[in-house]
Amino acid sequence: AQSVTQLDSQVPVFEEAPVELRCNYSSSVSVYLFWYVQYPNQGLQLLLKYLSGSTLVESINGFEAEFNKSQTSFHLRKPSVHISDTAEYFCAVSANDYKLSFGAGTTVTVRA
Amino acid sequence: GAGVSQTPSNKVTEKGKYVELRCDPISGHTALYWYRQSLGQGPEFLIYFQGTGAADDSGLPNDRFFAVRPEGSVSTLKIQRTERGDSAVYLCASSLGHQETQYFGPGTRLLVL
Repeated sequence: AQSVTQLDSQVPVFEEAPVELRCNYSSSVSVYLFWYVQYPNQGLQLLLKYLSGSTLVESINGFEAEFNKSQTSFHLRKPSVHISDTAEYFCAVSANDYKLSFGAGTTVTVRA
Repeated sequence: GAGVSQTPSNKVTEKGKYVELRCDPISGHTALYWYRQSLGQGPEFLIYFQGTGAADDSGLPNDRFFAVRPEGSVSTLKIQRTERGDSAVYLCASSLGHQETQYFGPGTRLLVL
């Protein structure tokens, strides 16, 4: 079985400041890793994913995450956040291509 | 195109009642998933359909929960003899195939009084 720990439940950050959301996972087998975002009053959307290859993956809106196998981590970063990045972010893992195991989520609140 | 839709968006019921939650996946998506999200937690896997059959129902919490997808498109999650602990947001997702990105619906918020 796989499990995910998101180390921060709430992250307040000022606009244009950097942000890092921490995610650690445990698994006895190789996994695929995902970050999903849920904007206020909207459904979950895939932000980025790691399946294989380069350990650094990027999203179209400036987020990036790095897979670190030795530390079993998949932290999400953005160098400069916008008000519109206010959302809840979920880290997820999958070992079998379909069953996603999610963390408890990190609420990011961006302030002007 | 249209995304995953779920109805109703909210459902309030009394303990012991039966409820049905509906999911309309994205057209052409063969894989369909149900998850449950309790307050303050991430979504938890319930069941996965590939076509009409349930390929993995290991996440269903007990035999009061059942899901069907008779024509390989729309799916219904059925909960018998609801309990207050069943209160949660029930999420549906679909994907082109089991290795493809899962697209989530807005969820059905179930409240059992």
